[in-house]
Amino acid sequence: QVQLQQWGAGLLKPSETLSLTCAVYGGSFSGYYWSWIRQPPGKGLEWIGEINHSGSTNYNPSLKSRVTISVDTSKNQFSLKLSSVTAADTAVYYCARGLTVVVPAAMANWFDPWGQGTLVTVSS
Amino acid sequence: SSELTQDPAVSVALGQTVRITCQGDSLRSYYASWYQQKPGQAPVLVIYGKNNRPSGIPDRFSGSSSGNTASLTITGAQAEDEADYYCNSRDSSGNHLNYVFGTGTKVTVL
Repeated sequence: QVQLQQWGAGLLKPSETLSLTCAVYGGSFSGYYWSWIRQPPGKGLEWIGEINHSGSTNYNPSLKSRVTISVDTSKNQFSLKLSSVTAADTAVYYCARGLTVVVPAAMANWFDPWGQGTLVTVSS
Repeated sequence: SSELTQDPAVSVALGQTVRITCQGDSLRSYYASWYQQKPGQAPVLVIYGKNNRPSGIPDRFSGSSSGNTASLTITGAQAEDEADYYCNSRDSSGNHLNYVFGTGTKVTVL
């Protein structure tokens, strides 16, 4: 059973760069896209971006200018960097495995499993 | 980007049926997936595709879709189903791939 374990700094000052890493255990690393998703305190979920084992990335247009997602296939890990953080970037950040399939008449995507989450607080 | 709109909160009596809806233009082209989130925990996938449950998800959870609306139904709600529920789909607007989540529905089991 695939498990995701994530880690990274939990307290940042404004203008610093957020850095998180997610390790994948117990399953195939290729054949999937690996995503970062965040949730501000008391609010909903926001997709940040994704990467596959080849390093192909897609980013949320609203965050694209500040986001870099990278992959280390030798360790089955992927990482998130978010630059120039502000208080608005305070959130719980999750890593997750994503899958998209084409089924008759539509396309289906889902995220499963998820990492345990990391609270990142931006404060001066 | 597209938006997915959910009712903020619904309540259901123990053992009764509750339906949670998710509305958005992207749902005309993409199936929704549904996530259950309990306080302090990561979201858990409960429904994906047309109406598929991951291993370990009780069969009281089911999904459906019509037009621009996706629904998650809990038939015979249990106390442990009290949680926030989020829908998600690919974003059909714009030229770049994006995924959107619904605004979330808090389910209270009475």
